[in-house]
Amino acid sequence: DGGITQSPKYLFRKEGQNVTLSCEQNLNHDAMYWYRQDPGQGLRLIYYSQIVNDFQKGDIAEGYSVSREKKESFPLTVTSAQKNPTAFYLCASSTSGTGYYYGYTFGSGTRLTVV
Amino acid sequence: GENVEQHPSTLSVQEGDSAVIKCTYSDSASNYFPWYKQELGKGPQLIIDIRSNVGEKKDQRIAVTLNKTAKHFSLHITETQPEDSAVYFCAAPNNAGNMLTFGGGTRLMVKP
Repeated sequence: DGGITQSPKYLFRKEGQNVTLSCEQNLNHDAMYWYRQDPGQGLRLIYYSQIVNDFQKGDIAEGYSVSREKKESFPLTVTSAQKNPTAFYLCASSTSGTGYYYGYTFGSGTRLTVV
Repeated sequence: GENVEQHPSTLSVQEGDSAVIKCTYSDSASNYFPWYKQELGKGPQLIIDIRSNVGEKKDQRIAVTLNKTAKHFSLHITETQPEDSAVYFCAAPNNAGNMLTFGGGTRLMVKP
């Protein structure tokens, strides 16, 4: 079955550490996205990529970095510069659109906690 | 850019009643409007969507209506059940049409 997989489901980070969240999709989607969700809050865009080897900052990119070396993969690194990283992180993918648009497919999320 | 506002932020209904969530958007060129359901600790899932060439779409107990003139669209859930309890998000494409802008979410609670 096609889908989008995030790992790990739970992640604990010590102060000053960088951690990387994995996102893999086998839907042949061109576009991929990372969102941050705080308790009881909506979705805030961190980074997005419309095509391999290209990505753009979203609304809250500071303290995060990404890469898009393969169409299937869009890992997110939470760096030590991110002062409040405890949150639920969601990855999504979609067919890149002009004209006829399709919805996103979301992963099941990674819950990151600073210890 | 596109601005999507969603109301109410929380909604509590009795089991069997109907629930309505409304979203407004700013870009009159937007042509695609999805709704997502997010259960606790999970990622959002697409439950229904509508394109601008129709005014209403139904799927069993769920329906979405679109008013292009007023630039708003609504999610209607009839005969609500406890398993409908979740956070619901609406969305609309941004100006460039290459990504979605999400509403702030509605927490729906269905009381048995």
